[in-house]
Formats: sequence, C-alpha cells, structure tokens
Amino acid sequence: EDQVTQSPEALRLQEGESSSLNCSYTVSGLRGLFWYRQDPGKGPEFLFTLYSAGEEKEKERLKATLTKKESFLHITAPKPEDSATYLCAVPGSGTYKYIFGTGTRLKVLA
Amino acid sequence: EAQVTQNPRYLITVTGKKLTVTCSQNMNHEYMSWYRQDPGLGLRQIYYSMNVEVTDKGDVPEGYKVSRKEKRNFPLILESPSPNQTSLYFCATIPQGSTDTQYFGPGTRLTVL
Repeated sequence: EDQVTQSPEALRLQEGESSSLNCSYTVSGLRGLFWYRQDPGKGPEFLFTLYSAGEEKEKERLKATLTKKESFLHITAPKPEDSATYLCAVPGSGTYKYIFGTGTRLKVLA
Repeated sequence: EAQVTQNPRYLITVTGKKLTVTCSQNMNHEYMSWYRQDPGLGLRQIYYSMNVEVTDKGDVPEGYKVSRKEKRNFPLILESPSPNQTSLYFCATIPQGSTDTQYFGPGTRLTVL
C-alpha cells in the first residue's frame, strides 16, 4: 500500500537553529515527491517537486533532498516567519491521485 | 489574480441536511480535486476531475458526490451529511500538462451536528 510518513510531528526551534524534517515514502514507481507549506487557516502552498534520487532544490532557507526511500527538508538559520506546517506528498496509483503525509508543525521562536 | 475560491468558508449544519460546497477557479486548469483534512490523518483525496464530465474517486469518496459541468467549477455535494464528515475541506487545481504543482483554495470548515 502506498504510504507517506512524516517526522517529527512537531518541532520547536530557536531562530537561527538549523534542522531537518523527514518524509519517508512507500510507493511503487516514484513519479515525484512534493513539498508544501501550510499556514494556519490557509490552503497548502507548493514549494518543491523532486523526481529522482540525488536531486536537490532550494528556496531561500529551505533545501529539499531526495533518496530512494525518503526526502528531507533542511531549514537553515530559520526565522519566525518559517513557522508553518510542512507537508509532503507523492502520486498514488493513477495519474492524478495523491497521498499526503500528516505534516510536521514547525515553530520558530524569536 | 489567479485564484481558487471556495464557498462557504465556514458552515455549521445538521445531520441529513443536503449541502453543497462550491469551488471555482479562474486559471483555466483542467484538473480539479477535493480533499478533506483531519487531525492525525492529514489530507485525504475525496474526488478528482481530469476535465469536464470526467471525474473519479479518491481515497475517501463515501458520502460525497461531485459534478464537473463546466471547466471552472467543481462543486462538492453532501446529500445527507453526518457528523463524521465534520472536517476542513480543500479544493485544488493543477495546470494543464502538469502533474505536480497543485493550487489550493482557502478551505471550508464544515461542522455537522
């Protein structure tokens, strides 16, 4: 069964304290792994797509990496405005079916 | 401004009273989808539509109906809502020719008493 698991469930960081969020997946034939950011009371906002092991993508203080079993979202020197829930997702069976993880709630303290 | 809109944003209703949550997009995207988000369960796909008059079930379609009579609209219909359908609902779209970037609406918080 296709599955996405994110850890930790919640993470509190001091401003400037770098860390990583994990997304492990079980899917037959990976056709992409997606990262989203979700602010309270809002819909998820697309961040990155990764397609193959070894691929990396960066956006400001965020860098996403992909291996054959998991993806990491590295946050370097985070700021309070990086506080949000970060979701990862993979396509399931069928072209337009998607499976989301339960997310990591990140809180960055000033 | 490119956007996905949902109405209503908040709704409290009673068991069995039919309701419709509307989703509209102004980006001419072919693909539209409905999700529900529950604590501890994450986002789960309810139904999706690849184009007008083409819809398919996601992982949790029971108790829901959809229709896609025109490209810009994709309403979610609850014929007889039950308390276990209390949730936060999101509509999403994907541009033509893409399978990755989903654009989400602002969400509809539904409470069924």
